[in-house]
Amino acid sequence: GQNIDQPTEMTATEGAIVQINCTYQTSGFNGLFWYQQHAGEAPTFLSYNVLDGLEEKGRFSSFLSRSKGYSYLLLKELQMKDSASYLCAVMDSNYQLIWGAGTKLIIKP
Amino acid sequence: TAGITQAPTSQILAAGRSMTLRCTQDMRHNAMYWYRQDLGLGLRLIHYSNTAGTTGKGEVPDGYSVSRANTDDFPLTLASAVPSQTSVYFCASSVSGTNNEQFFGPGTRLTVL
Repeated sequence: GQNIDQPTEMTATEGAIVQINCTYQTSGFNGLFWYQQHAGEAPTFLSYNVLDGLEEKGRFSSFLSRSKGYSYLLLKELQMKDSASYLCAVMDSNYQLIWGAGTKLIIKP
Repeated sequence: TAGITQAPTSQILAAGRSMTLRCTQDMRHNAMYWYRQDLGLGLRLIHYSNTAGTTGKGEVPDGYSVSRANTDDFPLTLASAVPSQTSVYFCASSVSGTNNEQFFGPGTRLTVL
């Protein structure tokens, strides 16, 4: 079966750094996506990795290791507005996205 | 531009009734998707369409049907609603059905009683 695992909830302090991990087992791999979803809102795209390594985009970075079936999203200089759920999704061999349940990130002042 | 719109925003529906959730995008994207999101679960794909005139089944298609008569619209129909279809429904679109980011509509919160 196909499976995406990520922690259910994490807490971090404003101004700090947090790393959200995602491990996956899917039938095929055509890229890994990270989305942000604020409560009651739609998911919005953050990053896409298809090759191993780190992709940096401002305060957010995403890392991929295909051999380990592993990715992480790194958020730096945390702000209160970063309080949200972060969704990991893998595109399988049929180009369908398989989604994790999301990690709820709570930022404390 | 509006991007993707969905209607209604929320709905309470009696079990056994039918309902169509509407989705329209103005980005001329070829691919469109319907997902449901339930607490504690990841988004699950219901149906998708890679181009106008074609549709396909996702992970949880039973009890739902779709049509794609043109590029912009992708309605989702529940023929006879059941309480287990209580969920938040998101419509999404992407440039193509391959490895492109998906853009999501605001969602429809459906409660079936």
